[in-house]
Amino acid sequence: DIQMTQSPSSVSASVGDRVTITCRASQGISSWLAWYQQKPGKAPKFLIFAASSLQSGVPSRFSGSGSGTDFTLTISSLQPEDFATYYCQQANSFPFTFGPGTKVDIK
Amino acid sequence: QVQLQESGPGLVKPSETLSLTCTVSGASFISYYWSWIRQPPGKGLEWIGYIYYTGSTNYNPSLKSRVTISVDTSKNQFSLKLSSVTAADTAVYYCARHGDFYYFDYWGQGTLVTVSS
Repeated sequence: DIQMTQSPSSVSASVGDRVTITCRASQGISSWLAWYQQKPGKAPKFLIFAASSLQSGVPSRFSGSGSGTDFTLTISSLQPEDFATYYCQQANSFPFTFGPGTKVDIK
Repeated sequence: QVQLQESGPGLVKPSETLSLTCTVSGASFISYYWSWIRQPPGKGLEWIGYIYYTGSTNYNPSLKSRVTISVDTSKNQFSLKLSSVTAADTAVYYCARHGDFYYFDYWGQGTLVTVSS
């Protein structure tokens, strides 16, 4: 299985801050990576696919980059509704695997 | 719009079989893959397996011996059976859709299944 790791595990930030989350795959996955946002008690929401493509309807302050084994999710200017946990997921090979999550909370 | 809704018992006894159904509305069932994903309380996400509308399946090897996913295209439903459950199977179970590129674009709201006697 491809193992996914994320750092940091949590980050405290203020509204307006720039936040960057890193995701690393245990082996190369090209650009087969997605990002999801999950709020407490809710299902994950699909944000980014193919490492850097924004899903329809997702605000442009979200962006993704990377390929191979190292990827980043950036929120350019944190908004109140962005406080949540973010997960990466590799779609390169079975079984699909997710990172452990990064919690973004209020400083 | 596309909606997925999980249904099934919220409490299952140890050693018994967990059974859930996902009903899909607002979208064609054809040409998509339909997955089950679970999340133990306070933990991360684990993909369980998928079924294609044709009935072909792919399961996570960690659960493969205990999992069966089936589909009823006439009802726009697919189902999960997980046998011989233990407390470690306690989780929120989600159904989700993906296309050819294996990104989960639509999710159900999730249903908590507790394994306890």
